Amino acid sequence: EIVMTQSPATLSVSPGERATLSCRASQSVISNLAWYQQKPDQAPRLLIYGASTRATAIPARFSGSGSGTEFTLTISSLQSEDFAVYYCQQYHNWPQTFGQGTKVEIK
Amino acid sequence: QVQLVQSGAEVKKPGASVKVSCKASGYTFSSFGINWVRQAPGQGLEWMGWISTYNGNTNYAQKFQGRVSMTTDTSTSTAYMELRSLRSDDTAVYYCARVPGGAHGDYWGQGTLVTVSS
Repeated sequence: EIVMTQSPATLSVSPGERATLSCRASQSVISNLAWYQQKPDQAPRLLIYGASTRATAIPARFSGSGSGTEFTLTISSLQSEDFAVYYCQQYHNWPQTFGQGTKVEIK
Repeated sequence: QVQLVQSGAEVKKPGASVKVSCKASGYTFSSFGINWVRQAPGQGLEWMGWISTYNGNTNYAQKFQGRVSMTTDTSTSTAYMELRSLRSDDTAVYYCARVPGGAHGDYWGQGTLVTVSS
C-alpha cells in the first residue's frame, strides 16, 4: 500500500501568517491527492482534491500544489478558524491511505 | 443540499457485531460511491473500504477483510457498514463519505461512535 507521510506533526503559527504543510507519498499518486481539515468533534471537511482544485466554498487562502510524490497545502494568511488538524489522502491506488495528520496550532 | 446522516452511537461487547447506517439525501444516490473511514480516540483517519452504490462492488482494506461488509439499499438511499467480531481496539468514530468515482470524500456524515467494552 502507498504510505503517506505528513510533516511537520505540529505547526505553530501566528494568526495572519502563512502556513505550509507537506505530504509525501511512498510512490507516485500522480495528482490523485486530497486535503482535509478536521476540527475537534467534527467530521473531516474536504479542502482540496486533484492536488490543487479547491472544493466547493473553500476560501482562496487555501491552495494545494505538487504531483507525483510531493505535495503541499498552503494557507496564505491563517485565520482563527483555520487552527485544526489537516490530513492528506491518496486515492490513486487501493487501499486509499491517509497521512497521520498535521496539527496547526496558535503560536 | 447534500446530506449524509448516520445512525446513533452504539455500545457493544467484544465479539459482537455492529451495523452502522448512512442515509443520503440531496443527490442521486447511485451516482456516487461511499467510503467508510474510522478514527480511534485521539488518532488519525483510517480508510476501511468503498462501495459502489451503482452495482454494489466493494473494495475493503486488507486489515478488515473477512470482518467487514458494506452494502447499500438504493430504495432508501442508505449505505450500511457491518463490522463483526468486535474488539476493544475497534472503539472509534465511524464515518461515511460520498465519493465521486473512487476518489476523495466530498461530503461526510456526522460520524457514529462505536464503543466496544465488556
